[in-house]
Amino acid sequence: DTEVTQTPKHLVMGMTNKKSLKCEQHMGHRAMYWYKQKAKKPPELMFVYSYEKLSINESVPSRFSPECPNSSLLNLHLHALQPEDSALYLCAAAEILSGNTGELFFGEGSRLTVL
Amino acid sequence: DAKTTQPPSMDCAEGRAANLPCNHSTISGNEYVYWYRQIHSQGPQYIIHGLKNNETNEMASLIITEDRKSSTLILPHATLRDTAVYYCIVRVPWMDSSYKLIFGSGTRLLVRP
Repeated sequence: DTEVTQTPKHLVMGMTNKKSLKCEQHMGHRAMYWYKQKAKKPPELMFVYSYEKLSINESVPSRFSPECPNSSLLNLHLHALQPEDSALYLCAAAEILSGNTGELFFGEGSRLTVL
Repeated sequence: DAKTTQPPSMDCAEGRAANLPCNHSTISGNEYVYWYRQIHSQGPQYIIHGLKNNETNEMASLIITEDRKSSTLILPHATLRDTAVYYCIVRVPWMDSSYKLIFGSGTRLLVRP
């Protein structure tokens, strides 16, 4: 069982829709991540939150808007997406305090299709 | 700007050791090497990590060369369930104590019966 839960597992949306992907972790880890993965490609980092503040934005288009309401939740708001944004979106959590393995715990992902 | 290079595919026989190489010739002194695997588009699963010493856990062993420019992941007795894409990753520290994991292109390992 994964300790990072992502919802929904599947999402189909039109280019004019507004939707959100949600991620929840109850491990108390202080960093949370969004990755995007296209078919047969490695995951690509999008955003990193550290202590609930945006730490890294890998030049992601503004149609993707992350939000970290509290230490357990991470959202990705989607607006005016393009068909090429269709992908598996992976959330991960990691404990960044020294002395820890630094392992990222991934969720199972949300598969997004943009029509 | 992936910092690792891996062969695109490998295969091995069930019960034999699988040795997966990775090149990370531009790695910096404070950057760790991590290995993850991914099965059927599930979330990636952590395997092992290291800085400069060889490491072993219940899943695998990690051998890092003395100059840290390359490493090898060893699955000592591969099973059919080890068929997956294996990613060699460099962990890059960031200014506020966070870090990012930059995935390489991955090696698709096929374990043959």
